[in-house]
Amino acid sequence: EVQLVESGGGLVRPGGSLRLSCAASGFTFTDAWMTWVRQAPGKGLEWVGRIKSNAAGGTSDYAAPVRGRFSISRDDSINTLYLQMSSLQTEDTAVYYCTSGWSWGQGTLVTVSS
Amino acid sequence: QSALTQPASVSGSPGQSITISCTGTSSDVGGYNYVSWYQQHPGKAPKLIIYDVSSRPSGVSNRFSGSKSGNTASLTISGLQAEDEADYFCSSYTSSTTDVFGTGTKVTVL
Repeated sequence: EVQLVESGGGLVRPGGSLRLSCAASGFTFTDAWMTWVRQAPGKGLEWVGRIKSNAAGGTSDYAAPVRGRFSISRDDSINTLYLQMSSLQTEDTAVYYCTSGWSWGQGTLVTVSS
Repeated sequence: QSALTQPASVSGSPGQSITISCTGTSSDVGGYNYVSWYQQHPGKAPKLIIYDVSSRPSGVSNRFSGSKSGNTASLTISGLQAEDEADYFCSSYTSSTTDVFGTGTKVTVL
């Protein structure tokens, strides 16, 4: 069974940093291009960024609102995806999902507030 | 990258067919056959129901079908059922090597 489990969410002050993790199982994580998507409370889905498999170069792309502040990485040895978030703003408050495209995690809530 | 445009809401009676549109530009929907559709029930994670414009993942009902014409993609739900009541989002690959989601459509089963 495919499982994606996000963790690391919580309350953070504006300007702060946070790292989210996504533990993957049930599929060949090494081959997967992984994506982070967020959803602000009561709003639609917003694409955050994607990291290619290492075989495809391992590079990342980011949405304009987070480019330069967020960084996606992966550790294929432990089947884990990361989202490092810095210079957080109140507009970054959302549930953050990791997805392989086919499967999604349950999400982790990040609240940016003073 | 602006969000793709979807109608805010679509409704239909059980057994009817409804279609949700997803309008973009030649830099996203019109330029690539990488349009996906997701279903999201309240409080739940999204679920992939269509990928590559018209392909269905294993286990997804064949009542869901996708198509594309020019810069507009469409999702059709035939034989509407109560369980289809949910939010639906399209997404597309873009020329900026990013993806973009649609604004979302709330489907109501009357």
